[in-house]
Formats: sequence, structure tokens, C-alpha cells
Amino acid sequence: NAGVMQNPRHLVRRRGQEARLRCSPMKGHSHVYWYRQLPEEGLKFMVYLQKENIIDESGMPKERFSAEFPKEGPSILRIQQVVRGDSAAYFCASSPVRAVSDTQYFGPGTRLTVL
Amino acid sequence: KNEVEQSPQNLTAQEGEFITINCSYSVGISALHWLQQHPGGGIVSLFMLSSGKKKHGRLIATINIQEKHSSLHITASHPRDSAVYICAARNYGGSQGNLIFGKGTKLSVKP
Repeated sequence: NAGVMQNPRHLVRRRGQEARLRCSPMKGHSHVYWYRQLPEEGLKFMVYLQKENIIDESGMPKERFSAEFPKEGPSILRIQQVVRGDSAAYFCASSPVRAVSDTQYFGPGTRLTVL
Repeated sequence: KNEVEQSPQNLTAQEGEFITINCSYSVGISALHWLQQHPGGGIVSLFMLSSGKKKHGRLIATINIQEKHSSLHITASHPRDSAVYICAARNYGGSQGNLIFGKGTKLSVKP
């Protein structure tokens, strides 16, 4: 059973370009979470999705950021018109069901660098 | 003040030592996670607790709900335990993904 997969592992974009980060959850997992780790800072929650639904997006910046988890295919975190402050490691995690006791399984992260 | 505080920030130990990392939180929680972030950046979930104590190999995690405090213990530490250890609280009433993270404790175990 493959773990959580993220691609690309490293992404370089120039200011103003779009960044698309992909997350394939573990097989059988229908819940996906995105977190951001800014340089020298701790992890911060961004968004929690189930298939075709956004459950909690309270951590997402109001502009330029969006996330989806379609019925088929990976979850996508999309950042439009990137700025230097978007440079960070973006981690996704998945879990099988919505329950207090569920462990989250983390992907290896995508390191975004904005030039 | 952060809602989740960890101490110490940095910890250096000799191989074989018993290690304790502390986590205090100021919010009501429904669960607390301990995570390990490897030097390469990958994150592994170690424990999720809502009460009591859990043990996995040389790792032990405890939580005291009344005191809003959790500890992660490593027995017989080894250089391969060198990593950043992060605690994260799930806010009571918040969604299960909405975790509040501590800044991490960087552990270095010397041979």
C-alpha cells in the first residue's frame, strides 16, 4: 500500500505564475488535509477536504489560494499569482474516516520556491 | 503567546539517555498529536492521544487533560532519534484536520 504521494517534490516559480501542488492520498483514504510550513516557522493548517467537498478552509488565505479534491484524481492546491512569501513547504496528509481517533498520514511535501 | 507551547526548543543528549519533551496548550482539545519531522523534512505521525498514555517501542506519550499538558518520552535514545518533534492540538469543536502546531523541539542525540 503506497503512502501519501505528493508531486512535484520541488517546484520553482517566478512571481506572478501559478503553482499547482498535487496530493494522492493513501488507498482507501477519503480525507485530505493541507498544511504549510514557512521557513523557520511551524506548520499551519490550511484546508480539510473530502471527496468533492471542502470541509474546513479556515486556514486558507482569502485570495489566490484554492483547493479541490475531485471524485477522481488527486487533491490539488492551487496558488495563483505567486509571491515570494508563498515560498514554503506544503504538506498534505490523509486519513480514512472522519473520527477523533484517526491518525493522519503525511506526504513527503512539496517545496515551493518563488523567485 | 502561542496556543501550543513546546519545551525545550533544542535538546542535545548522549546516546542512551532518557529524553522528555513537553507540550502545553491553552485551548480545550479533543486530541493531541505527536509528530516527528526528519532532517530531510518528511513527517511521521507518532501518536494521537485524547487521554492517558500510549507506548510504541521506545516512545511513550502521556497527556494530562486537567493540566493541559502532554509529554513525549524516549527511552534509551539513539542517534537515529535525532529529529524535530512536534506536538499539535485539535481544538475542541474544530474540524479534525484543523490542528494547532507547536514550533517543535529539535533533538540531537550524540553517539
